[in-house]
Amino acid sequence: DIVMTQSPDSLAVSLGERATINCKSSQSVFYSSNNKNYLAWYQQKPGQPPKLLIDWASTRESGVPDRFSGSGSGTDFALTISSLQAEDVAVYYCQQYYTTPCSFGQGTKLEIK
Amino acid sequence: QVQLQESGPGLVKPSETLSLTCTVSGYSISSGYYWGWIRQPPGKGLEWIGSLSHSGSTYYNPSLKSRVTILVDTSKNQFSLKVSSMTAADTAVYFCASATDLYSSPSHWGQGTLVTVSS
Repeated sequence: DIVMTQSPDSLAVSLGERATINCKSSQSVFYSSNNKNYLAWYQQKPGQPPKLLIDWASTRESGVPDRFSGSGSGTDFALTISSLQAEDVAVYYCQQYYTTPCSFGQGTKLEIK
Repeated sequence: QVQLQESGPGLVKPSETLSLTCTVSGYSISSGYYWGWIRQPPGKGLEWIGSLSHSGSTYYNPSLKSRVTILVDTSKNQFSLKVSSMTAADTAVYFCASATDLYSSPSHWGQGTLVTVSS
């Protein structure tokens, strides 16, 4: 099984500042046949289901603000929020769907400093 | 717009079998997509339980495979989850979700239902 490890576990950033969350997979999630990384990022607020923000490592879902961006390839990925807003306080998860069982990182709790 | 809604008991006794149903609206299960279950213990991370194709093929997490069954009822546009031999470790919020393919990220989720295992 592929193990997903996020860092840090928690992060406090000032409003308007940049926040970066890292995700590392225990093996590559890049499929060379279609040149895609099978990696997604989710945002989860208390009492809500996870919301898909980014899939294929860097493709923003419709309606997701452009301050959210995903980067990386192979085993190392990052989610960046360019200018933190109050409504971005949440737990963020990365997920690989390269193989079954798909697996999630342990989550990163993002707070306002 | 695909919408999913979980239903089932909030409390299950140890050793009993959990049965949950996910009702889908806005899309016909038999038309396509993959339909699955994911759970989240209180205050913890997410664990994929398994998925079902629109044609009925099933895929389970090996860690739970011996205790899990996912079935589809196309006449009611529902799919279900059964987990046998429940223990306190199975206490979690159970989400149903859909994805366009087995190897794609779930994009639509139900609100989740908390299942507590206790005598």
